[in-house]
Parts: sequence; C-alpha cells; structure tokens
Amino acid sequence: KAGVTQTPRYLIKTRGQQVTLSCSPISGHRSVSWYQQTPGQGLQFLFEYFSETQRNKGNFPGRFSGRQFSNSRSEMNVSTLELGDSALYLCASSLLTSGGAETQYFGPGTRLLVL
Amino acid sequence: KNEVEQSPQNLTAQEGEFITINCSYSVGISALHWLQQHPGGGIVSLFMLSSGKKKHGRLIATINIQEKHSSLHITASHPRDSAVYICAAALGGGADGLTFGKGTHLIIQP
Repeated sequence: KAGVTQTPRYLIKTRGQQVTLSCSPISGHRSVSWYQQTPGQGLQFLFEYFSETQRNKGNFPGRFSGRQFSNSRSEMNVSTLELGDSALYLCASSLLTSGGAETQYFGPGTRLLVL
Repeated sequence: KNEVEQSPQNLTAQEGEFITINCSYSVGISALHWLQQHPGGGIVSLFMLSSGKKKHGRLIATINIQEKHSSLHITASHPRDSAVYICAAALGGGADGLTFGKGTHLIIQP
C-alpha cells in the first residue's frame, strides 16, 4: 500500500502571497490531519478533516484553511503569508476520525520558506 | 506551561545502553502517541497507548493513567536509534487534535 504523499515537497514564497499544499492519504483512510512544525513552537495541530468535513481545529488564525475532497485527498491553504509561516507542514492520515485516538500515518512533509 | 512535557530534551548515550524518555501530561487523555522523527523530517508512529504497556522489538512504551505519565524505553540501543522522539497526547475528548511534547533529541554513539 502506498504511503501518505504530499506535494510539493519544497516551496519558496514571498510575504503576502498565498500557498496551497496537497496531501493524499493512504488508500482507504478517511481522516486527514494537518500539522505545522517550527523550531520554536515544535509540532502544532492545525485541523482534521473526515468525510469532507472539518472535525477539529487548532489555534491558528483564519489565514489557515483547508478542505477535503470526496476521494479523501486534502488541501490546506495559507493566505497572506507571513515570515513566521515558514515551517514544515505535515499531514497524517488515519482510518477514521478520532481527534487523535487512532494511529496516524505521516507524510514526508512540505517545507515552506517565506521570504 | 505546556500540557505535554517531555524529558530529557537531549540525550547522548553509548551503543548498548538502556534508554528511557519520559512524557507527562496535565489533563485526562484518550490516547498517547510516541513518534520518531529522523533528520529530513519524516515522522513514524511507534506506539499508540491508552493503558498498560506495548512492545515492538527493542522498543517498549508504558503509560500510567493515574500518574499521567508515559515512558519510552529502548533496550540495547544502536546508532540507528538516533532520532528525535516525540510524545503526543489526545487531550480530553480529543477535540483539539494531538498536543505534542517538545521532543527528545537522542544520539547513540558507537
């Protein structure tokens, strides 16, 4: 079974731009969660999607949004990029939604640099 | 104060040593995860626990719900175990997703 894939793997943007990141979960997994990892804050939960619905959301501003499609693929969007948005963005999939009470399978991440 | 605290932050040991990494949390949880992250960023889920103990090869994870504490042990450590180990908790009912510890940077010297 193919693992979780994320595209693109690396991205450079400038302040004020917007960016869309994509995540394809393991086949059959219906839940996708997104995380941000920075050296200062570590890993932080962004949001979780299940069956095209956002189930949980972390403490991030409205510039961070996401969606999930009927095939469980998910995208996250960050608008009006700030320097502090430079981070590794990870997605993880699991069979069902559980707010973190299921084993999660992580993708390789997208490394975003905002200049 | 973080709701999930890990210790130590950094650990250097010699090959073959028994390693223990600790994780404590401040509220009730529905699950506790141990994750491994190698340089380059990839994260692998090692264990998910809600009670008791789990073992996989040389890795053992335990959790004490009453004391709100979990440990990850590595027996007969090897240089390939060098990585960052992160604990993550589904706090309360899990409505806020996973809350992560800051990670333990482990280096095993040959």
